[in-house]
Amino acid sequence: SSELTQDPTVSVALGQTVRITCQGDSLGTYFASWYQQKPGQAPVLVIYGKNKRPSGIPDRFSGSRSGNTAALIITGAQAADEADYYCNSRDSSGNHLVFGGGTKLTVL
Amino acid sequence: EGQLVESGGGLIQPGGSLRLSCAASGFAVSNTYMNWVRQAPGKGLEWVSVLYSGATTYYADSVKGRFTISRDDSKNTLFLQMNNLRPEDTAVYYCAKETFFCTGDCYEGFDIWGQGTLVTVSS
Repeated sequence: SSELTQDPTVSVALGQTVRITCQGDSLGTYFASWYQQKPGQAPVLVIYGKNKRPSGIPDRFSGSRSGNTAALIITGAQAADEADYYCNSRDSSGNHLVFGGGTKLTVL
Repeated sequence: EGQLVESGGGLIQPGGSLRLSCAASGFAVSNTYMNWVRQAPGKGLEWVSVLYSGATTYYADSVKGRFTISRDDSKNTLFLQMNNLRPEDTAVYYCAKETFFCTGDCYEGFDIWGQGTLVTVSS
């Protein structure tokens, strides 16, 4: 079983803001990283650390952390953002990495 | 920027062995943290193993004792030796470069991924 918990599905209206959350005890110590995966493609890093975006990732993607919950925020969701999103962090031992179960985002 | 290209996947019978390769370009695998991540058909991502630049390794409990991660610095290539394969090991296997730095807080993430190679364990 995953040590990081995500809602399986989330939907958002086009142009609106959505929060995708990830909950786990280790998130009180370690930051989460977030990945976008579209069908048939490899994952892409969208957020890591304290709200850091790799080059090429639109600034509508941001991240936050409160207690043991991390969140990926998409401000002004676009049709192109429809994808599966995964959080990742270290487990409680600090030596292993673990992924959340993933959230399928639907843009209506 | 960098690129990763996996190879070595295929159909293998339960109990068999397979070695995956991940050729890197644009950076040195010896200077960074390199990981294997897998994804079973229709399922989520599962972290498998990491090889630190100093040669320390860690494995997910599901593969510990059966899989071995290694690298060849002269070929700038990462490997995953998989022994005693089980049907539940069937997945697309990705290699991923991990960026890791600390400036007070620590930042890490898989910033470069390969395209993946499919391993099917079936009789």
